[in-house]
Amino acid sequence: GAGVSQSPSNKVTEKGKDVELRCDPISGHTALYWYRQRLGQGLEFLIYFQGNSAPDKSGLPSDRFSAERTGESVSTLTIQRTQQEDSAVYLCASSLGRDGYEQYFGPGTRLTVT
Amino acid sequence: AQSVAQPEDQVNVAEGNPLTVKCTYSVSGNPYLFWYVQYPNRGLQFLLKYITGDNLVKGSYGFEAEFNKSQTSFHLKKPSALVSDSALYFCAVSINTGGFKTIFGAGTRLFVKA
Repeated sequence: GAGVSQSPSNKVTEKGKDVELRCDPISGHTALYWYRQRLGQGLEFLIYFQGNSAPDKSGLPSDRFSAERTGESVSTLTIQRTQQEDSAVYLCASSLGRDGYEQYFGPGTRLTVT
Repeated sequence: AQSVAQPEDQVNVAEGNPLTVKCTYSVSGNPYLFWYVQYPNRGLQFLLKYITGDNLVKGSYGFEAEFNKSQTSFHLKKPSALVSDSALYFCAVSINTGGFKTIFGAGTRLFVKA
């Protein structure tokens, strides 16, 4: 079946511009996560959606970062006024539910801020 | 603070030899434990998980991991390494409390030499 997809696969933007990253989770997966992976580093949790519950935004690094999810489908991560330190791979994952369920990851969006 | 530690940045092993990738954690409550693998130019993939029950869990590609509650460890093992096992391995902990967060370790790069 179809896996998690993300678009665009690569994004180069100028400092100060806004960017929007998209994630299409696996159909039927109620949980959706966003992570950031800087070069050579581990995964940094950003935000988590579970069904219609309020999202866990505790990992968002600043108010320039926001994310939305429509029901149990597509999610968008928006970064406003991008900075060079935002350059990273942004990974989206989905799972059947909350704790105890493994996550299925998309291929990521590589963001480069020049 | 809740954390996951992968004490080795890199593990080198000869093909055919057993391999171990270490993971220890410090969390409150009963954790769910996961291993993920990131092959070059490919997305993160789920390997195995421990939820409850038998402390030894088996996963994909011949990998297994042992949950040790007293040592708060969840080391990944394989009896006989393959060159194709060379990849970046992440340990992750999901905490079953009122809130949610999955904490990933920093990753361990495994090199298997022919």
